[in-house]
Amino acid sequence: QKEVEQNSGPLSVPEGAIASLNCTYSDRVSQSFFWYRQYSGKSPELIMSIYSNGDKEDGRFTAQLNKASQYVSLLIRDSQPSDSATYLCAVNMQRSNQFYFGTGTSLTVIP
Amino acid sequence: NAGVTQTPKFQVLKTGQSMTLQCAQDMNHNSMYWYRQDPGMGLRLIYYSASEGTTDKGEVPNGYNVSRLNKREFSLRLESAAPSQTSVYFCASSETRSQPQHFGDGTRLSIL
Repeated sequence: QKEVEQNSGPLSVPEGAIASLNCTYSDRVSQSFFWYRQYSGKSPELIMSIYSNGDKEDGRFTAQLNKASQYVSLLIRDSQPSDSATYLCAVNMQRSNQFYFGTGTSLTVIP
Repeated sequence: NAGVTQTPKFQVLKTGQSMTLQCAQDMNHNSMYWYRQDPGMGLRLIYYSASEGTTDKGEVPNGYNVSRLNKREFSLRLESAAPSQTSVYFCASSETRSQPQHFGDGTRLSIL
């Protein structure tokens, strides 16, 4: 089992729709969770951090964390073509204090 | 504010050649990291430095060495390059190991 797993996609949504990206992780006691956006040919860019159960909203982005289910998700509301990118889930594993990244989900927003 | 700066941005090497990738951060971060990113494999940690004066192996350290020169700089060395090391290399830094990481623009390395 991989430490962090994401659906690789590709995920396509029409402009204005909600895009839902999902991530599961293996270490039940992990405390820190992050979402990065990576445009083609560019470096990963941090867009959300979440540390406690529940929802955290930042503009059109909402991160959701459920530690009991070892599940973290990212919702993008009112999706725009500029949101087309690969989204990486990252988890700081408590037992090793190391970051693990998922392989990313490719999102395309269709105008 | 430059953030994390990597040099060079592109490099082509022949098998067996050596080179050093440079990374510097100006955010006064304690922790620094080297990753490689390959299609379908995601980001894989090569080495990290939790704080100045310390370095540790990550998931894929074979064929690489690192030096934490000071708090700002963390270099990655390929002693004898192999085609399997063709990849995009990212340097990152964070305030502590549990804080989010900030990435440089990457080095695109091809080994022929």
